[in-house]
Amino acid sequence: NAGVTQTPKFQVLKTGQSMTLQCAQDMNHNSMYWYRQDPGMGLRLIYYSASEGTTDKGEVPNGYNVSRLNKREFSLRLESAAPSQTSVYFCASRGGGRYGYTFGSGTRLTVV
Amino acid sequence: DAKTTQPTSMDCAEGRAANLPCNHSTISGNEYVYWYRQIHSQGPQYIIHGLKNNETNEMASLIITEDRKSSTLILPHATLRDTAVYYCIAGHTGTASKLTFGTGTRLQVTL
Repeated sequence: NAGVTQTPKFQVLKTGQSMTLQCAQDMNHNSMYWYRQDPGMGLRLIYYSASEGTTDKGEVPNGYNVSRLNKREFSLRLESAAPSQTSVYFCASRGGGRYGYTFGSGTRLTVV
Repeated sequence: DAKTTQPTSMDCAEGRAANLPCNHSTISGNEYVYWYRQIHSQGPQYIIHGLKNNETNEMASLIITEDRKSSTLILPHATLRDTAVYYCIAGHTGTASKLTFGTGTRLQVTL
């Protein structure tokens, strides 16, 4: 099925460990996004990529890095995880024009 | 992007229409109004969007006031499965644009 695939679905890290969250879309969308959602809050934009080869900071980029590997894939890396990064991470993609986002099912990350 | 204001929560009886309001008084002329919903802990789901005219699709209807300062999402016959957080967002459509999610309206559909 067409859509946005995120891996892993769940992850527990120790403080200071690093990891990469993977995201891939098969809809030939140009733009891709990483959001985080803390309990009881809305989604906050971490980084986005308007097109292959470009990335830009969102509202809460500190502690994260991203890579737009190709048109399909956009990864999010935590170099040194902190408990404050415990959250649910959503990847999204968007085609051109006025259409909305398609979201993945999320990665639930706990940093202990 | 223009800021939007939504009620924190609403209740609706199953089978009745759910009318979810949204204020976006500072919306610019080329910003669309988007509606998404998030069921439990799933990823947000696109519902509908519009610029000036009212819009309808298989999920919902969107009514935008003539001055574009507010809008209403209408779920014509709410079911228990429509219980979710509904987000109203004003945003541009360019490929470099990004949508800012607020805290939305928590809609509880009851028997």
